[in-house]
This record gives sequence, C-alpha cells and structure tokens, in this order.
Amino acid sequence: TQLLEQSPQFLSIQEGENLTVYCNSSSVFSSLQWYRQEPGEGPVLLVTVVTGGEVKKLKRLTFQFGDARKDSSLHITAAQPGDTGLYLCAGGNDYKLSFGAGTTVTVRA
Amino acid sequence: ETGVTQSPTHLIKTRGQQVTLRCSSQSGHNTVSWYQQALGQGPQFIFQYYREEENGRGNFPPRFSGLQFPNYSSELNVNALELDDSALYLCASSRGPVAGENGGELFFGEGSRLTVL
Repeated sequence: TQLLEQSPQFLSIQEGENLTVYCNSSSVFSSLQWYRQEPGEGPVLLVTVVTGGEVKKLKRLTFQFGDARKDSSLHITAAQPGDTGLYLCAGGNDYKLSFGAGTTVTVRA
Repeated sequence: ETGVTQSPTHLIKTRGQQVTLRCSSQSGHNTVSWYQQALGQGPQFIFQYYREEENGRGNFPPRFSGLQFPNYSSELNVNALELDDSALYLCASSRGPVAGENGGELFFGEGSRLTVL
C-alpha cells in the first residue's frame, strides 16, 4: 500500500502540450521530493520542497508543495520527448522516504 | 551519474536461496538506504544505515538484513528467498540520515534486478 497517491497513473501527450501530475496523501511530510526514473535505471532527484505553499521552478518544470504539506503537483510546460519517464513523488519524514506508485509520462514527437 | 554503484546489476536465484547485494556510496556520504521496487510500484523503504548502525527499518521481515562498512559502503542480505522477493533493489546514499532535507537528499544507484524462480 502506497502512502502517497499519484494521479494519473499514465499520461500520453503530444510534444508541445502541457501536463500536470498530482501527488496526494493524508499524512503530513517534512519534505517532498520529485524523481524521474527511466527504464533500467534508478530514480534521479528533480527537486526537494520543504515549506508549505512553496513553489519551485526549474526551466519548464514547476513544483508546488501544498500549504498543509500533504500534497504536491508537478507541472511541465511545452513537454518534449526527453521528458518521457516515470515520475515519482516521495514524502520525507525522519529517516525514510515514502514513495507514490508513480506516473508514467509519454511525450510523442 | 550519481556516484552510487550497485552490484550485481542482474541476478537469478531459486526459492530458499540466499543473496547478497552490494552498494558503494557517493564520496562524502555517510548514510545508505535500501529500497525494494516491485514491478509497477514505487520504491518501498527496507532500512537505513548511518555511520555503520541500522538507523531505521521499514516493514520487512528479519530475513532482510544489512551491513555498513567503515568506508560507508553497504550490503543487503536476503535469506530464504521467496518468489515475491523478485524486484529491483535500490541503494541510495546521502550526506545525512534525515531523508529529503538539508543534506539528506537521496542519490540512487541503478539498482540490482533480482529474479526468484
């Protein structure tokens, strides 16, 4: 059972379109991280957010941490085929991260 | 490249056997965490080692055990393998034991894919 629920589970869009992935939980986390994982590889950290209401922008990616520190979203503007991958959110408390099941994003050229 | 290396990358075992997976942490990192990722799922926390001591454990049975060495590399041992142990085993190193914050960001290796027949 995943402590964090991600939606949608799968997302397929055309190059140039925008997309948003959601990560929700009933638990409060001290930090929230987003990772991207490609087949046969480990997850790669994209961003860490620690303050409720925090918004971070990294080029075409925008990350938001909910005010109550229970949920987060990842928005990609003008998606490119290189954005294809499994996006994982993870909530941090003490020594461990609790991961969602992931959203598989496919960007078609 | 995260600087975290895992071996072996793939292995096949049969039920009841034992397996040891190895992880070299990134330079300057003193904490290693192990995660199990079943197909189609997110990683699940197994345990963490900080300065050679187990610092926290997830919901895994005692047949999952580990070690951390003075150079901060680590091993994951699984005894009496079961079919459900088939998964990608991920090692992550960090500068500190608090996940996600101020030096606790996790850097993952590429994983060891274990198949149990």
